[in-house]
Order: sequence, then structure tokens, then C-alpha cells
Amino acid sequence: EAGVTQFPSHSVIEKGQTVTLRCDPISGHDNLYWYRRVMGKEIKFLLHFVKESKQDESGMPNNRFLAERTGGTYSTLKVQPAELEDSGVYFCASSRNGLAGVGEQFFGPGTRLTVL
Amino acid sequence: DQQVKQNSPSLSVQEGRISILNCDYTNSMFDYFLWYKKYPAEGPTFLISISSIKDKNEDGRFTVFLNKSAKHLSLHIVPSQPGDSAVYFCAEQRSNTGNQFYFGTGTSLTVIP
Repeated sequence: EAGVTQFPSHSVIEKGQTVTLRCDPISGHDNLYWYRRVMGKEIKFLLHFVKESKQDESGMPNNRFLAERTGGTYSTLKVQPAELEDSGVYFCASSRNGLAGVGEQFFGPGTRLTVL
Repeated sequence: DQQVKQNSPSLSVQEGRISILNCDYTNSMFDYFLWYKKYPAEGPTFLISISSIKDKNEDGRFTVFLNKSAKHLSLHIVPSQPGDSAVYFCAEQRSNTGNQFYFGTGTSLTVIP
């Protein structure tokens, strides 16, 4: 079974530019989560999809961030325009149908975003 | 307002000795606590968990203890091995918030051969 994949692994952009991160969850996983870790801080929740619907987007920092999950498969997270404080590692995680059981969120390797 | 705290950013332990990683939390309405392990350039991977109704869970060299009165949990690794060197995150899971995780800041463990 292929794991969660994320693209790109690294992105370096200038302030004001746009970046789109992609996450491909494990096939058949309805739940998809986005998290972010700023250097030295905790891994912080951004939002949760169940299939193509946003279940909870309470962690999204502001309206410069837009997440989509077309057809309930892969997801994209767009930052437009990017600011310096958006730098960090963005993780995607997925889990099976219904309420995730304990420890059943599988994480991708992350995308390291650097905004200069 | 951080709900899960790991106050030790780093820990060094000799191979074969015990590693103890600590985590404190503020919200009592959780279902599980989980420990995740993260190597550089990789995503976190699940290590061990404990239910809110338990006070101990053991899996091989790894044991997690939960002290609900103190709102504290700890992960014990014994004996520690060099391959255990990684960043360890504790995470709180609540079913009433869609099972999102509330992570701590992580503790970087170095096991010295």
C-alpha cells in the first residue's frame, strides 16, 4: 500500500508570490488533514476534509490560504500571496472512513516552504 | 494557547539506558494520547498510544504512562538504542473535534552509542 505523498518536497518563493502544495492520500482514505510546523514549534492543525467536504477549517491562518480536495481524492493547499511567516513544513495526513481510530492518521513527508 | 506542552526540547541518553520523554496537557476532554516519532525529512510515524481510561500501555521497549490528576504523560524507552534517535511528539486526539491532533513542540532524543 502506497503511503501519503506530498509534492513538492521543497519550495522557495519570494514574498507576494503564489505557491500550491499537493497531497495524495492513501487510496480509500476519506479523511485528509493538513498540518503545519513552524520552526521549533508544535505541529499545528490547519484543516480536515471528509471526502471532498471541508469538515473543519478552524486552523487556517487567514484567507490567503485556500484548500481544495477535488473529487475527494488528492488535495491542494494554495497560499496567495505568500508572506514571510508562512514559512514552515506543511504535512498532510490521511485516515480511513468514519471516526479515525487511535493512531490511524498516516502522515506524508511534508513540504518545506521557505518564503524570502 | 498551546494545549499540549513538551518542555524539554532535547534529551541525550546513553545506549542501553532508559529514555524518558514528558508531555503535559491542559484539556481533560481527550480520547487518546499518541506518541509520534519523526526522522529528518520524513513525516511523523505512529509509535504508541494510550486511551483516556488507561494509565499505562506497553509495547515492547516502549511504555506510556498517563497521570490524569497531574495532566501529565510520559514515554519510557528501555533499553534505548541509537536508532531511537529522532524527534518525539506527543499528540492529543479528541473525537469531538473530528479527530484532529493537538501536538506538542517535540523532544529531540539522541541516543549515544
